[in-house]
Amino acid sequence: KQEVTQIPAALSVPEGENLVLNCSFTDSAIYNLQWFRQDPGKGLTSLLLIQSSQREQTSGRLNASLDKSSGRSTLYIAASQPGDSATYLCAVMDSSYKLIFGSGTRLLVRP
Amino acid sequence: KAGVTQTPRYLIKTRGQQVTLSCSPISGHRSVSWYQQTPGQGLQFLFEYFSETQRNKGNFPGRFSGRQFSNSRSEMNVSTLELGDSALYLCASSPDGTGTLLETQYFGPGTRLLVL
Repeated sequence: KQEVTQIPAALSVPEGENLVLNCSFTDSAIYNLQWFRQDPGKGLTSLLLIQSSQREQTSGRLNASLDKSSGRSTLYIAASQPGDSATYLCAVMDSSYKLIFGSGTRLLVRP
Repeated sequence: KAGVTQTPRYLIKTRGQQVTLSCSPISGHRSVSWYQQTPGQGLQFLFEYFSETQRNKGNFPGRFSGRQFSNSRSEMNVSTLELGDSALYLCASSPDGTGTLLETQYFGPGTRLLVL
C-alpha cells in the first residue's frame, strides 16, 4: 500500500530564506508526483508535476526533484516571501491512477 | 475559463441525515475526482468518475456514493451521516484523468461539512 510522508510537518522561516520541503513514498511504481499548495480553508493549487521519467521541474522560484528509485522528492523554494505561507502537499499518482497525498508541511514565512 | 465550482460551500447536518454535494468541473474536463480532508486522516481519495461511470474507488464505506451526469457535473452523496464525516470535501477535474498523465487535477474550493 502506497504511503506518502512529508517532513517537516511545520516550518517557520524569516523572509528571504531558501528552504527545502521533503516528501517520501514507499512504492516506486508511480506515474507522477505532484506538489500542491493549500491556503487556509481553500482548495488545492497545483505547483509542479513531475512525470516518473523526469528528474525535476522548475517554475519561477520553485524547483522540485524526483528520485523514484529512493522514493524521494524535494521542493525547493528560493528567496521565500510572506505570500508563500501555506500548506504544501505532495501527492503521487499510483498504479491505479489514484492520487495519494502526504499530510503536508505547514509553512510560515515571517516578514 | 471558469474553475471548478462546488456547492454548497458550507453545510451543517445532524447525525443520521443524508447530504448531497455538487461539483461542476472545468468546461471540457471529463474526469471528476472526490476527496475527503480531515485533520486526522489528511486528504483521502473517495472516487473518480469519467463519462458517467465510476472508474476508481477509495476505501470508504458504501454510505459514500456518487454519480456523474452527461455534462460531466458530479454529485456526491453521504447517507446516514456520522460525526466522523465532518470534513472538507474537495472535488477535482482533469481532461480525462489518465490520458497522457501529463495533466494535473484542478481542485475546487471545497464544501465544508459539519455533522452535529
